[in-house]
Amino acid sequence: EPEVTQTPSHQVTQMGQEVILRCVPISNHLYFYWYRQILGQKVEFLVSFYNNEISEKSEIFDDQFSVERPDGSNFTLKIRSTKLEDSAMYFCASSWESGSEQYFGPGTRLTVT
Amino acid sequence: GDSVTQMEGPVTLSEEAFLTINCTYTATGYPSLFWYVQYPGEGLQLLLKATKADDKGSNKGFEATYRKETTSFHLEKGSVQVSDSAVYFCALKYGSQGNLIFGKGTKLSVKP
Repeated sequence: EPEVTQTPSHQVTQMGQEVILRCVPISNHLYFYWYRQILGQKVEFLVSFYNNEISEKSEIFDDQFSVERPDGSNFTLKIRSTKLEDSAMYFCASSWESGSEQYFGPGTRLTVT
Repeated sequence: GDSVTQMEGPVTLSEEAFLTINCTYTATGYPSLFWYVQYPGEGLQLLLKATKADDKGSNKGFEATYRKETTSFHLEKGSVQVSDSAVYFCALKYGSQGNLIFGKGTKLSVKP
């Protein structure tokens, strides 16, 4: 069964460094998402992406964040200058249509020290 | 704004016990409601959903009924198994919009 994959599973970085989290969505899906969950808190929507542009974003998704689909398979989340409060589990998801079921990856745990 | 509140975990049960995980929501409109499950090392998987009031979603022995009058979508299972040990997330979404609004998740541990 097709699945969403994410790499790495765990990333440790120093404050101020740039990180790129990678996701490979399901191949025929057209909509892509990033969510995050800070430890002990809710899973929060960050951004959705369709047709090579952002379709929705939350207040969390400020200028420090960017997303890209650099080729036909990868979908990346970049954090330009990480802060301690960016430490969280980041989930990627994809769906065929905007309103259809979203399929999630296993997550990348980002630890900023 | 819209939000989802789940009962705090962790929940520990013996095999074959009855499970209830409470979920209530606050919404300005009429969202669809979902339960997602995350098994260790895996992504969130859709467990069941309901798109309108009084709908019952069901899957793998789990059930949840969309109760508009109490703004609730409690997850139930009559007899849990060790393999049900996972984190369960309640969520809502509007129609064709993309983003899901999640609760914090409830960790369930089932002991043999």
